[in-house]
Amino acid sequence: GDSVTQMEGPVTLSEEAFLTINCTYTATGYPSLFWYVQYPGEGLQLLLKATKADDKGSNKGFEATYRKETTSFHLEKGSVQVSDSAVYFCALSGLSSGSARQLTFGSGTQLTVLP
Amino acid sequence: EAGVTQSPTHLIKTRGQQATLRCSPISGHTSVYWYQQALGLGLQFLLWYDEGEERNRGNFPPRFSGRQFPNYSSELNVNALELEDSALYLCASSSGTGNSPLHFGNGTRLTVT
Repeated sequence: GDSVTQMEGPVTLSEEAFLTINCTYTATGYPSLFWYVQYPGEGLQLLLKATKADDKGSNKGFEATYRKETTSFHLEKGSVQVSDSAVYFCALSGLSSGSARQLTFGSGTQLTVLP
Repeated sequence: EAGVTQSPTHLIKTRGQQATLRCSPISGHTSVYWYQQALGLGLQFLLWYDEGEERNRGNFPPRFSGRQFPNYSSELNVNALELEDSALYLCASSSGTGNSPLHFGNGTRLTVT
């Protein structure tokens, strides 16, 4: 079945540092890939997405590129802020029977940015 | 537009009782998904409803059940509550077309004592 493997946390960075959170996936066919963010006490918010190979999703300074050859969708940001502190989830939308539109999530990575 | 709304925000039950959680999707969305987020276990897929029908369920026992109403709102029922059912239950909705993303509510925090 589909699966997502995400870099384990927690990750602690200083403000303005470069961020990379690794994500790799296993899926049949050509899934869509997503990054969601969860701020304390809230539900998940869609951060960015990519629906086909070589697509780059971007939002709020975050970027991720759909790499089919390495089955990866790593999240990057050039300069993090304290307000980016949250849990980040990588997810895929599989095309296997019965799961065309449900999401399979990675385990989440807790990011803390210190001033 | 109003987002996905879930009620109640918090729910405290004792072991063996039943819990009912409710979800209203974004207007125009026909698909509703339920996820369980237990501490340290990430998000586990529970149920998917589309156009009033159950389309798929995750690896949970039958005491987890639900339904979707004609107005596309949904209800999750958990019978014979166990301590390990304590978790944040997240509802999400989507328009049900192609690769439309899921939009999540803020969840219901269920505590079983």
